[in-house]
Amino acid sequence: TQLLEQSPQFLSIQEGENLTVYCNSSSVFSSLQWYRQEPGEGPVLLVTVVTGGEVKKLKRLTFQFGDARKDSSLHITAAQTGDTGLYLCADSGTYKYIFGTGTRLKVLA
Amino acid sequence: DAMVIQNPRYQVTQFGKPVTLSCSQTLNHNVMYWYQQKSSQAPKLLFHYYDKDFNNEADTPDNFQSRRPNTSFCFLDIRSPGLGDAAMYLCATSRVSTRYSNQPQHFGDGTRLSIL
Repeated sequence: TQLLEQSPQFLSIQEGENLTVYCNSSSVFSSLQWYRQEPGEGPVLLVTVVTGGEVKKLKRLTFQFGDARKDSSLHITAAQTGDTGLYLCADSGTYKYIFGTGTRLKVLA
Repeated sequence: DAMVIQNPRYQVTQFGKPVTLSCSQTLNHNVMYWYQQKSSQAPKLLFHYYDKDFNNEADTPDNFQSRRPNTSFCFLDIRSPGLGDAAMYLCATSRVSTRYSNQPQHFGDGTRLSIL
């Protein structure tokens, strides 16, 4: 059974700081999604990455997919309070997602 | 524009009293999913529909049932809710993934279920 470990589990930083969170898989990803979930709401899709070595940018967020397609990182530049939430990576199989353990980020004003 | 809509956003029910949660979608996706999410944990898949084909996860309790009367709607029925069933319930949809194209899932805002 594939396991997705995310680190750190919790992160609390000041507004304006940079941060990186990680997602590591016990086996090769089919394709990798990153989601952000704010309290009381459903996960919102941020990005899908498929190709090893791929880098995608979404404003202040940079997503990297490892060459071997077993790991990924999400880097946030100049964090804002609106970035607060639970960040989930997921691997999408044919029908079934496997979710990572999650990183809960709190950005303090 | 809301694309996956869950109702109600908050539901309170009594221990043992059946409850139904609903989900509708405007995306015309083939696949619909129900997840249970407890505090600060990742969502846990309960079951999914591929069109009308129902697929139950092996560890989903018998207490949880689902109906999908048409493409747009899907319901989660909890026959006799226990205290341990208090959670956020998330509905998601996706197109069918193939070997060459893995499709992302789109989530609703969830229904938070409380059990008295």
